[in-house]
Amino acid sequence: DIQMTQSPSTLSASVGDRVTITCRASQSISSWLAWYQQKPGKAPKLLIYKASSLESGVPSRFSGSGSGTEFTLTISSLQPDDFATYYCQQYNSYSRRFGQGTKVEIK
Amino acid sequence: EVQLLESGGGLVQPGGSLRLSCAASGFTFSSYAMGWVRQAPGKGLEWVSSTSDSGGITYYADSVEGRFTLSRDNSKNTLYLQMNSLRTEDTAIYYCARIDYSSSNFDYWGQGTLVTVSS
Repeated sequence: DIQMTQSPSTLSASVGDRVTITCRASQSISSWLAWYQQKPGKAPKLLIYKASSLESGVPSRFSGSGSGTEFTLTISSLQPDDFATYYCQQYNSYSRRFGQGTKVEIK
Repeated sequence: EVQLLESGGGLVQPGGSLRLSCAASGFTFSSYAMGWVRQAPGKGLEWVSSTSDSGGITYYADSVEGRFTLSRDNSKNTLYLQMNSLRTEDTAIYYCARIDYSSSNFDYWGQGTLVTVSS
C-alpha cells in the first residue's frame, strides 16, 4: 500500500506569510496527487489536482508542485480564510489515500 | 445547484449493521462516479469506497473490504453504503462525494452523517 506523509503536522503563520506544506509518497505516484482544505465542522474542499492543476474557483495564491514521491502545496500570501487543515491525497483508478493532515494555525 | 444529502447514521453495537444513503440532486447522477470518505472524531480523512457511474466497478479500502458494500440506484439518484460487522474503529462521520471526471477527484461533498459503533 502507498503511504502518504505530510509535514509539518502543525504550522503557525501570520496573515501575509508564504506557507509551504510537503507531502511524500512511499512510492512513485507520478502526478496523481490532490490537495484538499478542510475547516472545522465542514466537508473538505478540493484545491489542487494532478499535483499542480488549480480547481475552478480556487484563488491563485494556492499552487501545487512536484511529481514522483515529493509534492508541495504553497500559499503565496496567507489570508484569514486560509486557516484550516490541509490534506494531500494520492489517487488512481482503484484506490485513494490521504495524508494525515497539516493544520495551519494563526501565529 | 449540486446537493448531496446523507442519511442513515446513528448508534449501533459492535457486530451490527447500518445502511447509509446519499441522495443526489442538481446534476446528472448517472454520469458521475461517486464515493464515500470517513473521518473519525478528531482524526484525518480516510477513503472508504468508490464506484463507477454505472455501479459496475467498485473499489474498497482494505479496512472495510468484505464488510462494506457500495451500491447505487441511478433511477433514484441515490448512493448507498451497506455496513456490516461494524467495529468500534468504524466510528466516524461518513461523507458522500462526487468524483469529477476531469479532475478524477471529489469535487462536491455532502455534510456528512455520524456513525457511532459502541456497546
